[in-house]
Amino acid sequence: KAGVTQTPRYLIKTRGQQVTLSCSPISGHRSVSWYQQTPGQGLQFLFEYFSETQRNKGNFPGRFSGRQFSNSRSEMNVSTLELGDSALYLCASRTGPGETQYFGPGTRLLVL
Amino acid sequence: GENVEQHPSTLSVQEGDSAVIKCTYSDSASNYFPWYKQELGKGPQLIIDIRSNVGEKKDQRIAVTLNKTAKHFSLHITETQPEDSAVYFCAATFGNEKLTFGTGTRLTIIP
Repeated sequence: KAGVTQTPRYLIKTRGQQVTLSCSPISGHRSVSWYQQTPGQGLQFLFEYFSETQRNKGNFPGRFSGRQFSNSRSEMNVSTLELGDSALYLCASRTGPGETQYFGPGTRLLVL
Repeated sequence: GENVEQHPSTLSVQEGDSAVIKCTYSDSASNYFPWYKQELGKGPQLIIDIRSNVGEKKDQRIAVTLNKTAKHFSLHITETQPEDSAVYFCAATFGNEKLTFGTGTRLTIIP
């Protein structure tokens, strides 16, 4: 089975712009979670989608949003980018709540 | 609130020796505890996990122990090899089933 894939792998944006990141889960996995990883804050949970519905949400501002499509693929969007949004954004998928999560390689976002 | 503490933040061991990383969690309702290994430029990779109805789990050179009373769990790597060098994260699932991660341990195996 193919693993979790994320596109793009690297991205450079400037302050004020917006960005959309994409995640394709492992085949058969209906849950997709997003995490932000930075050296200072570690791995922080953004949100989780299951069957196109947001199940959980972390403590991030409303500039961070996401959605999930009927084929379980997910996108996250960050609007009005700030320098502090520079991070590795990780997507993880699992078959459903309570099951093991598998991570993708991440999208490295640099905001200038 | 939900919290997972991980120690040490860095660990260096001689090749062939054992490495132990410890985590404590705050929510007694937590019931699932995975460990992830992250190599440079890659996403975290699950290496072992344990559920609350089990006290210990082993997979070749890797083992995890769980003490629910004390609310802590540990990763044990025996006969360490250079390819074990990476950052290791513990995590715990709290009541709403989202994973909360520890701050990571950078493990270096000295040849």
